[in-house]
Formats: sequence, structure tokens, C-alpha cells
Amino acid sequence: EAGVAQSPRYKIIEKRQSVAFWCNPISGHATLYWYQQILGQGPKLLIQFQNNGVVDDSQLPKDRFSAERLKGVDSTLKIQPAKLEDSAVYLCASSLVPHTDTQYFGPGTRLTVL
Amino acid sequence: GDSVTQMEGPVTLSEEAFLTINCTYTATGYPSLFWYVQYPGEGLQLLLKATKADDKGSNKGFEATYRKETTSFHLEKGSVQVSDSAVYFCALYYGGSQGNLIFGKGTKLSVKP
Repeated sequence: EAGVAQSPRYKIIEKRQSVAFWCNPISGHATLYWYQQILGQGPKLLIQFQNNGVVDDSQLPKDRFSAERLKGVDSTLKIQPAKLEDSAVYLCASSLVPHTDTQYFGPGTRLTVL
Repeated sequence: GDSVTQMEGPVTLSEEAFLTINCTYTATGYPSLFWYVQYPGEGLQLLLKATKADDKGSNKGFEATYRKETTSFHLEKGSVQVSDSAVYFCALYYGGSQGNLIFGKGTKLSVKP
């Protein structure tokens, strides 16, 4: 079974630029999560989707971050404009059902904002 | 709010040494507790979990016991290997409509041959 796929693996941008990350969850997984992992800290949930609807986006900085999962499969997380403090690893995870502790994580996208 | 506190790293051990990584939590109820491992260049992988007090999770020689009285979930391994070098995260989870994983800051382990 293929795992959670993410791209790109690395991205370097200048502050105030825009960036987008892509995630393809495990086939059949209805729930998709985006986490932000700042260096030296644990992952923090940004947003959770159930199919193509948002379940929880309370930790998403909505002034600059947006995410979508239009067809209930893959998802895109966008930052516009980026700030220096957005430098982090962005992890995508998926689960078969919502509200479960059994989540499968992708390898992450490491973002550096200069 | 709910939180997880792990011992500061990095931890450097020689091969075959005994490992303990401390983890304590603050929670209003009785969450499930987890240890995740992140090998270099890879995503998080679930290492073990325990869902109620006095449960012991175990996997790949690692163990942790859910201690309600001390609100702890310390990770132990009797004899570490070079291949155990990674970052280890303690986490808690509540179920229900607002359930999500809350992670500690992680502890980096380096095992020298």
C-alpha cells in the first residue's frame, strides 16, 4: 500500500513570496491533516479535512494560509505571503476515519523563508 | 490546556546502553498516549501507544507504561542500536469531535557504535 505522498520535499523562497504544497493521502482515507513542525518543536495541527469539508481549522493563520481539498482526495496548502517565521516542515497525514488517533504521516515538505 | 513535556535532548548513548526518555503530560481527562519516531528524512511513524492507565505499549524492544498517578509515559529500551538514532515524540490524543494529536517538542537520540 502506498503511503502519504508530499511534494515538493524542499522549498526555499524569499519572504513575501507565495508557496504551495501538495499532499496525496493513502487511497481510501477520508480524513486529511496538515501539520506545521517548527524546528525544535513537535508538530502542530493546522487544519483537518473530512472528505472535502473542513473539520477543524482553528489553528490555521487564515490571513496568510489557505488549504483546499476540492475532490476529497489530494490537498494543497498555500502560504501567501510568506514570513520568516513560516520556516518549518509541513507534514500531511491521513486516516481512514475521522477523530482517530491512527494517522499516517507523509515525509513532509521543508520550507525555508529567507 | 493540554500539553506534553519531554526531556531536553540531544541524548547520546553508546550501542547496547539503556535508554530512558521522560515524558509527562497535562490533561483534564484521560487521553491516549503515544510515542512517535522520526528517522532522518522520513515522516513520523507510530512506535507504540497506550489507551488507559497501567497499560504498557511495546514495539521493537521499546516500552512505555501509562502512569496516571504521575501523569507520565516514559520511553525505555534495554539495549539501543545505532539504527535507533532518530527523534522521538511523545503525544496525547483525546477522542471525540475535537480530537487531535498534541505533541511534545521531541528528543533527539544519537547512538554511537
